[in-house]
Amino acid sequence: AQTVTQSQPEMSVQEAETVTLSCTYDTSESDYYLFWYKQPPSRQMILVIRQEAYKQQNATENRFSVNFQKAAKSFSLKISDSQLGDAAMYFCAYRSARGDMRFGAGTRLTVKP
Amino acid sequence: DAGVIQSPRHEVTEMGQEVTLRCKPISGHNSLFWYRQTMMRGLELLIYFNNNVPIDDSGMPEDRFSAKMPNASFSTLKIQPSEPRDSAVYFCASSLPGPMQDTQYFGPGTRLTVL
Repeated sequence: AQTVTQSQPEMSVQEAETVTLSCTYDTSESDYYLFWYKQPPSRQMILVIRQEAYKQQNATENRFSVNFQKAAKSFSLKISDSQLGDAAMYFCAYRSARGDMRFGAGTRLTVKP
Repeated sequence: DAGVIQSPRHEVTEMGQEVTLRCKPISGHNSLFWYRQTMMRGLELLIYFNNNVPIDDSGMPEDRFSAKMPNASFSTLKIQPSEPRDSAVYFCASSLPGPMQDTQYFGPGTRLTVL
């Protein structure tokens, strides 16, 4: 079974600075998808960024980018120019080609003004 | 589009009662997922449907839990009888067919409290 590990329960960053959240996963599959979701206090799950495993190029969405290392099974999220609204729980997720989804335990990000 | 709609947003019930959670996926989405989130276990996939057919229900905790999707625009998750350990936030999510099937859109969740 696939597992997703987020080793940082909490992280903090100064406003306007850059922070990197770590994620590793374990799988024997070659075709899969990886995601980062944001969960603010409202508990709504918001998709931040997605990456297809067959793509070597790292995904980027505005201030959010990933460092996808397929061989190392690593998928970190970099947030540049951090804003107060970025404060939330961040979940790394793995979806197999079959469709089932696994989430990491989450990292709570605090943004200091 | 209104996004994924879940009802009720909050439910408080007593142990032994039946609980039914409802979900309306985004129109045009053909996959639907039910998740449970607790502090202890994090976010767990309970069951998912493709084209109204259950594909994987291995995450359903036990026989007290059941899920149905009678049509493309409606799904229910039922707990009977409910127990205090079922207290959690239950999320429904849906996704598009085709290449974008991997991206799931989550509803706001239902917070269930079983006394």
